[in-house]
Amino acid sequence: NAGVTQTPKFRVLKTGQSMTLLCAQDMNHEYMYWYRQDPGMGLRLIHYSVGEGTTAKGEVPDGYNVSRLKKQNFLLGLESAAPSQTSVYFCASSYRHTEAFFGQGTRLTVV
Amino acid sequence: QQQVKQSPQSLIVQKGGIPIINCAYENTAFDYFPWYQQFPGKGPALLIAIRPDVSEKKEGRFTISFNKSAKQFSLHIMDSQPGDSATYFCAASGPSGGSYIPTFGRGTSLIVHP
Repeated sequence: NAGVTQTPKFRVLKTGQSMTLLCAQDMNHEYMYWYRQDPGMGLRLIHYSVGEGTTAKGEVPDGYNVSRLKKQNFLLGLESAAPSQTSVYFCASSYRHTEAFFGQGTRLTVV
Repeated sequence: QQQVKQSPQSLIVQKGGIPIINCAYENTAFDYFPWYQQFPGKGPALLIAIRPDVSEKKEGRFTISFNKSAKQFSLHIMDSQPGDSATYFCAASGPSGGSYIPTFGRGTSLIVHP
């Protein structure tokens, strides 16, 4: 049972490049989330999904897009990376009102 | 607007001490209050959680105290150990437009000295 798997684990991008972060969960959870973690700022919600085919904006959505074409996958896209998007990104999933399971994180550096 | 306020930002205690981390929330619709523990290079993992029908929950050396009227909850770590050194996040969630999206505090970095 893998839980929540994020790929890649590390990435360095040049300003203006694009990339997609993949999150996969094998727990049949309805809810999936993308957070970014920055020093002193905690976990800030970027986008979330409450079911296949649905997405919604979180606290800091600007510069990011998401898609949930399959229940088990939640993709986070950066269309034109900026240095301000340097962060550690975490994906999580949950069954509604219970424990959230987190992936191991993706450390992204934009130079 | 920060819906869950966590303090302190950092905490240093000696082995055996009892660190206390506090959180305050604003949304009275919140009805699930978990604490997560995060070690360096890892994702957060659930440590303990409480619902507002009880005022205290204990699991091993970890205790949540919950004060519904004050809209506050806290984490106590009894007999703290160096292995407890980690970042701790409180969170809260509840029905909002049919969804249950957790809101996290900003985290507390705990160091337990041997």
